[in-house]
Amino acid sequence: DAKTTQPNSMESNEEEPVHLPCNHSTISGTDYIHWYRQLPSQGPEYVIHGLTSNVNNRMASLAIAEDRKSSTLILHRATLRDAAVYYCILRELYNFNKFYFGSGTKLNVKP
Amino acid sequence: GAGVSQSPRYKVAKRGQDVALRCDPISGHVSLFWYQQALGQGPEFLTYFQNEAQLDKSGLPSDRFFAERPEGSVSTLKIQRTQQEDSAVYLCASSTRARTYEQYFGPGTRLTVT
Repeated sequence: DAKTTQPNSMESNEEEPVHLPCNHSTISGTDYIHWYRQLPSQGPEYVIHGLTSNVNNRMASLAIAEDRKSSTLILHRATLRDAAVYYCILRELYNFNKFYFGSGTKLNVKP
Repeated sequence: GAGVSQSPRYKVAKRGQDVALRCDPISGHVSLFWYQQALGQGPEFLTYFQNEAQLDKSGLPSDRFFAERPEGSVSTLKIQRTQQEDSAVYLCASSTRARTYEQYFGPGTRLTVT
């Protein structure tokens, strides 16, 4: 299994940026980095993914370290609706149907 | 449009009973996934379908777990002779073949085995 390490929990103030870290020191050259989040009582939802270059979309940005052993999900302005568990997932290129979610980071957003 | 739906949302079973959990994926999504999520943990992969073909069932924890998708749309996860350790939320997700990185999840079925 491809492994990631994330802090158990983080706290942020509303309307401030949030940087959610993820370590994946055993990543292979063909593993993609994915982020999903799970709001309370819901199924996970896709946030963003990347391979080597930083990525931006309407929800967030993904910053990937040059050696790819770590990455950071950036929420530019946290809202109360962003309170969720955020999962950093490595997806193997040749085992593409499997996501290994881990335990994730529970993000609390304070008003 | 309609998202992934699952039924029932809650199921209580006595130990030893068989249960069947249903998943209705997004129309047109050929890929379908089942996950098991224990309390306080992230989802764990169970099985994967592409259309009606079950291409990966390596995550099914025992031969009491069985999944099918006979017509390539609706899927059923069946658990025979339920045990207390089967208590969890069972999540279904679907995606297009080209965008399996973006899985759309249903709300899950919470199974409690007493």
